[in-house]
Order: sequence, then C-alpha cells, then structure tokens
Amino acid sequence: GQSLEQPSEVTAVEGAIVQINCTYQTSGFYGLSWYQQHDGGAPTFLSYNALDGLEETGRFSSFLSRSDSYGYLLLQELQMKDSASYFCAVREGSGYSTLTFGKGTMLLVSP
Amino acid sequence: DAGVIQSPRHEVTEMGQEVTLRCKPISGHNSLFWYRQTMMRGLELLIYFNNNVPIDDSGMPEDRFSAKMPNASFSTLKIQPSEPRDSAVYFCASQGPYEQYFGPGTRLTVT
Repeated sequence: GQSLEQPSEVTAVEGAIVQINCTYQTSGFYGLSWYQQHDGGAPTFLSYNALDGLEETGRFSSFLSRSDSYGYLLLQELQMKDSASYFCAVREGSGYSTLTFGKGTMLLVSP
Repeated sequence: DAGVIQSPRHEVTEMGQEVTLRCKPISGHNSLFWYRQTMMRGLELLIYFNNNVPIDDSGMPEDRFSAKMPNASFSTLKIQPSEPRDSAVYFCASQGPYEQYFGPGTRLTVT
C-alpha cells in the first residue's frame, strides 16, 4: 500500500523554527513535494526534492533522505501568516505523474 | 496567466440532484487532476487526464461520478445523483514541471 505519515498538528511561536517530518511508503518514488494550504484556500506548492539533501527557498527549506524514506520541511523565523496546513506529497513517476498526499500537518503560530 | 479556474466556487444542492463542476487548466499544461478534500479523508485523487485522455479513474468513488475533458482548456466533474456524503471541497489542478497548480476549489454541500 501507499502511506505518508506526518504529525497532525504542530504549535510554535513567532520567530521560532519548526520542523515538520514526513515518512513515506509508496510503490514508486520520484520525488517529495511540500504544499501549504491556508484555511479556506487551495494547496500551493512550496518545494520539491528529487535528490537527497537540503533545498532552501527563503525562510523555508526541505530535506530528503531516499534511503530512509524520510523528508522534512523546515520553517524559520516563523510569522503569524505561516499558520496553515502543510502537506507532503510523493511523486511516483516522471513526466505526467500523480501525487499521493499525506493527511497534512496543521501549524499554529502564536504571538 | 489567470491560473487554474474553477466554477462554481460554492454549490448547495439537494440530495438526488445533478451537480456539474467545471475547470479550466493553465494554458499549455497537458495534465489535469481532480481531487476531493474532506476532514476525514484528506486530499484524495479522483481522476487525472493527460492530453485530454483519462489515465486513471480508480479514485472515482462510484458510478455516480463521471469526468470529461473534451478539449485542452476545459474539464467537468459530474455527480448524478448527488448524496450528502459527497459534501466536500473539490479541487482541480494542472501539472507544471515539478508542481501541481490548484484551482480555488468548489465547496459542495448536499443537503
């Protein structure tokens, strides 16, 4: 079967650093993506890792270890606007390919 | 580019009625995906198309659900007859190089 595991909820304060972990077990693996979804909004793309290592995009970084079937999203200098749900998603093939999404982690940033 | 366009944004209907959801993908994107999101089940892939051809509809819950993509710029998801358990947010997404671009969603309520 296919499964992605991530914590259901994480809380942090403004200015802090938070790490959201994702472990996956899928029939195929081509890359790991992260999406952000604010309440009432649509998922929006944050990052994509196809190779092991860290990808940095501003305050957000994403890490992948293919051998451990594990990745994480790191959010630094947290802001109130970062309060949202964060989904990891496995891309199972190249070209046109489906994504299998985790259940999402709700991040609540408090003052 | 206007992004992925969905209509209607909200739909309230009575059980047994036919519901049609519409999607216009980003111009030039060859793959289109329909998702359903609920609190209980998260984000589920219903069906996806590549070059207007349905590739995998294994996520379509029942024969009451059908989807078409008559051309590269338009797709529909139809539910007939609708049931209260179909209440959810339905997203359409189109595929970029690494990421999927989601439309704003249609919030469907079946009473």
